[in-house]
Amino acid sequence: GESVGLHLPTLSVQEGDNSIINCAYSNSASDYFIWYKQESGKGPQFIIDIRSNMDKRQGQRVTVLLNKTVKHLSLQIAATQPGDSAVYFCADTTSGTYKYIFGTGTRLKVLA
Amino acid sequence: NAGVTQTPKFQVLKTGQSMTLQCAQDMNHNSMYWYRQDPGMGLRLIYYSASEGTTDKGEVPNGYNVSRLNKREFSLRLESAAPSQTSVYFCASTEDSNQPQHFGDGTRLSIL
Repeated sequence: GESVGLHLPTLSVQEGDNSIINCAYSNSASDYFIWYKQESGKGPQFIIDIRSNMDKRQGQRVTVLLNKTVKHLSLQIAATQPGDSAVYFCADTTSGTYKYIFGTGTRLKVLA
Repeated sequence: NAGVTQTPKFQVLKTGQSMTLQCAQDMNHNSMYWYRQDPGMGLRLIYYSASEGTTDKGEVPNGYNVSRLNKREFSLRLESAAPSQTSVYFCASTEDSNQPQHFGDGTRLSIL
């Protein structure tokens, strides 16, 4: 199997509960932020993004919160389902640089 | 609806052998990227191509070369493979610099 997530922090939640996954970034010049989901043996899949002129953005069952003051990003998943089990990681970039900084990720385990 | 296609999916090489990893996208994206993913680390940028005809080094370019063959295709070459290059390699594409990256499903490369 995939060994990429060998040393990742793990969040375990009960099916139906809400999940909150956190991410810190270091570059104060970053102005675009993305959350990805990665299932075993697959490539990262885009979930939701947010630009620095916003502090909250909602999608289908997901919400991203951005706190630029403390350089913190969070992903909230409502009514977590077994299919949400995966590794989640954030990325940030500064417009025009083409360089995205990726976090190491958090493994989400959904308990039935 | 293929998105980003990477070939091969798996490869085993001996130290010193050469190999080219292929990547193609069908979304008419301008920018393409090569990353490697290792246990406990975030995705690290090897090379990127902001637009057809240009390529630039990323964070970990040593031991690799790239070719942006046309707008659709971006290949990664290992001229003389080393065990330290054992990794999962992902290709990604974006329309522009501050857009979400779309990833392929990776090439799992082992070098003995």
